[in-house]
Amino acid sequence: AQSVTQPDIHITVSEGASLELRCNYSYGATPYLFWYVQSPGQGLQLLLKYFSGDTLVQGIKGFEAEFKRSQSSFNLRKPSVHWSDAAEYFCAVAAYNTDKLIFGTGTRLQVFP
Amino acid sequence: DVKVTQSSRYLVKRTGEKVFLECVQDMDHENMFWYRQDPGLGLRLIYFSYDVKMKEKGDIPEGYSVSREKKERFSLILESASTNQTSMYLCASQSGAEGKKYFGPGTRLTVT
Repeated sequence: AQSVTQPDIHITVSEGASLELRCNYSYGATPYLFWYVQSPGQGLQLLLKYFSGDTLVQGIKGFEAEFKRSQSSFNLRKPSVHWSDAAEYFCAVAAYNTDKLIFGTGTRLQVFP
Repeated sequence: DVKVTQSSRYLVKRTGEKVFLECVQDMDHENMFWYRQDPGLGLRLIYFSYDVKMKEKGDIPEGYSVSREKKERFSLILESASTNQTSMYLCASQSGAEGKKYFGPGTRLTVT
């Protein structure tokens, strides 16, 4: 069965520091992978997605993610975090098509000035 | 911009009540979804729909039903609300060809 693991429940970083949020997936075929962000009181917004091709994917708000098949990972990175990046981040994998997403449990990011 | 709206941001209902959560999208998307979000569990798919009058069970459909009479509207129904259905409910729509989901702001339902 497909599954997504986000091992970090809560991460705290200082503004301006680099960020990496971890995501590991379990899926038999080539996965479709997504990162979503949920700001307080907001719905989920798509940051980036990987379907095929270049394994380094650029997204909105300065985020990027790298698909590593050998490690079954799709970690999200940002070189310099802004206070407005404080939110909850969800990694997701698509099961057999792009319609049915399996979400991870989320990582809450806190940013200190 | 795509807009997905949900009828209520906060709802408080009593155990045993019938509850309707409404979701409307304005982009003529074929696919619509209902998720519930719980701390430590992430988002879990309840039901989804590929077209009017069509519905498919997600991962946790028990205790829920849905209705899609019009393309733009997808309703989640709790026939007899229970306290374990206290949660944040998120609706999403998606164009079948594009594959990008657009989420509504969520409805926080409390069942007492």
